[in-house]
Amino acid sequence: QVQMVQSGSDVRKPGASVKVSCKPSGYPFSAYNIHWVRQAPGQGLEWMGSINPDNSDTKYAQKFLGRVTMTVDTSISTIYMELSGLTSDDSAVYYCARDRVHSNYNLPGCAYWGQGTLVTVSS
Amino acid sequence: DIQMTQSPSSLSASVGDRVTITCRASQSIRTYVNWYQQKPGKAPKLLIYSAYSLQSGVPSRFSGSGSGTEFALTIDSLEPEDFATYYCQQGTGTPPWSFGQGTKVDIK
Repeated sequence: QVQMVQSGSDVRKPGASVKVSCKPSGYPFSAYNIHWVRQAPGQGLEWMGSINPDNSDTKYAQKFLGRVTMTVDTSISTIYMELSGLTSDDSAVYYCARDRVHSNYNLPGCAYWGQGTLVTVSS
Repeated sequence: DIQMTQSPSSLSASVGDRVTITCRASQSIRTYVNWYQQKPGKAPKLLIYSAYSLQSGVPSRFSGSGSGTEFALTIDSLEPEDFATYYCQQGTGTPPWSFGQGTKVDIK
């Protein structure tokens, strides 16, 4: 069965960076786009960006351009999301999620989700 | 960018009620809308894709409708486990793949 396992909670100081990992299993690693979605406490879902693990093509939300980097390490079948220049507004749960259909179809829809990674930004 | 606006932001309902949540896109997205359910402390769950297609394993009391800019998620005969927050998401081929602000369904 498909599983998405994320790294554990993290605490960072303002101005620092955080790197969250996501390790999928149960399907061909390179076949499906991976999205990153975050949720601040008591707030809604915010799409941050996505990556195609086959060719590392990325698409980022305008809000995060220049601060977010999504990468793939195919040798260990792991996807990373790094966010820099952290402020308290970046305190949130960060989710990775796999598309429902093969990346060739370009029909986004997050069918499988990680458990979420709580990132707290505090001095 | 395509904006997704949900209404209402919250509603109270009873077990057995029929509930409808609406989502409006800022421009036509044909039938490219997804619906998710999220319970407190849990990751979202995909319910509906492409406006009206039920994701595998989702009960048939959930249904989606609409096209263009107006969409709806309907829950027939609300069950206790359906009290949650629901989000729409634009699912065209063009990012950003933004979500609506959410609709919280709680117990009356």
